[in-house]
Amino acid sequence: EAGVAQSPRYKIIEKRQSVAFWCNPISGHATLYWYQQILGQGPKLLIQFQNNGVVDDSQLPKDRFSAERLKGVDSTLKIQPAKLEDSAVYLCASSPDSGLAGGFQETQYFGPGTRLLVL
Amino acid sequence: KQEVTQIPAALSVPEGENLVLNCSFTDSAIYNLQWFRQDPGKGLTSLLLIQSSQREQTSGRLNASLDKSSGRSTLYIAASQPGDSATYLCAVTGGGNKLTFGTGTQLKVEL
Repeated sequence: EAGVAQSPRYKIIEKRQSVAFWCNPISGHATLYWYQQILGQGPKLLIQFQNNGVVDDSQLPKDRFSAERLKGVDSTLKIQPAKLEDSAVYLCASSPDSGLAGGFQETQYFGPGTRLLVL
Repeated sequence: KQEVTQIPAALSVPEGENLVLNCSFTDSAIYNLQWFRQDPGKGLTSLLLIQSSQREQTSGRLNASLDKSSGRSTLYIAASQPGDSATYLCAVTGGGNKLTFGTGTQLKVEL
């Protein structure tokens, strides 16, 4: 079974430029997550999709960050314009379902991440 | 708001030593707790998942315990090896399968 794919793996841009990241989740997984991991910190959830709908985007800086999952499969995360503090690893994860029924929650499977450096 | 803390932030041990990593969380209303491993330049790999009704889980040389009422978990690694060198992250699952991560413990096992 193929894992979560992300591209690019690395990106270097100057502040105020735009950048986009792509994620292809595991086939059949309904839920997709984008996390931001700043150096020395744990990952922080930016946005969670179930199919092509947003479940949680409470920690997404909406003035500069946007994300979409138009066909309920792959997803893109965009930053426009980038700031120095956006330098981080952006991780994508997927799970079979959001587990809204409660009880036993599904494991999330993580991609390798995109390392962004903003100069 | 859930907060997850891991102690120590970094740890260096000689090969063969047994070690314990600690994780604490502020809100005991969790579905489960997971321990992840993160290698440089790679994504996260789930090591152990403990459901909120369970006390511990074991996988090979790894044993994780959970005390939900006190908001604590430990990851025990027996007979450490250089290949265990990585960052270990603890995460708790709240409603909607939302994971809250700790800041991690960077482990180095030396020959």
